[in-house]
Amino acid sequence: ETGVTQTPRHLVMGMTNKKSLKCEQHLGHNAMYWYKQSAKKPLELMFVYNFKEQTENNSVPSRFSPECPNSSHLFLHLHTLQPEDSALYLCASSQEIGAYNEQFFGPGTRLTVL
Amino acid sequence: AQSVTQLDSQVPVFEEAPVELRCNYSSSVSVYLFWYVQYPNQGLQLLLKYLSGSTLVESINGFEAEFNKSQTSFHLRKPSVHISDTAEYFCAVSAPGQNFVFGPGTRLSVLP
Repeated sequence: ETGVTQTPRHLVMGMTNKKSLKCEQHLGHNAMYWYKQSAKKPLELMFVYNFKEQTENNSVPSRFSPECPNSSHLFLHLHTLQPEDSALYLCASSQEIGAYNEQFFGPGTRLTVL
Repeated sequence: AQSVTQLDSQVPVFEEAPVELRCNYSSSVSVYLFWYVQYPNQGLQLLLKYLSGSTLVESINGFEAEFNKSQTSFHLRKPSVHISDTAEYFCAVSAPGQNFVFGPGTRLSVLP
């Protein structure tokens, strides 16, 4: 595997379910990000991790719980979601946190909440 | 804080015609500027970036963008588009100590 991978690619869940999204980067990067992409809205930054430590939580509801066990893996644990949480969830990584550091994106997980 | 505007949500253009996708930003400090492309069912891929130096930057597939500080713009251009350029294009801005801010995107549709 190369680049940034995400699993699953598609997920349908009910509001009472608990599920997790997984992201893995094979680039040796130190920073990882979760974004939410909804139709007709700009990309929303959710969480930022740098060397496994969370450096930013962009006022994300607690029903989204991130986990970063090491610099290569990032999870997003989901529970009691709402239909408006349906979106494409994108993971990204960069060499370091920094304004000039290009971010590399995974293909995303298309989440549908029923 | 920075912000990004992409005035055109959709741009249809015929194959082999030129195209310009507009991007304007707002910032009180010096910025770095990026264009990303998203093909259907894929994540975002970096197309080109301006960090410093020459204000005209080019990508390997024929796109170019020019940083215009006075007009706070970073428009993306291609002199002749192909069907394969059909995608969504995102302009992004960042600044020291700040995260990336993405624009809402422009959907480019290349028609045969």
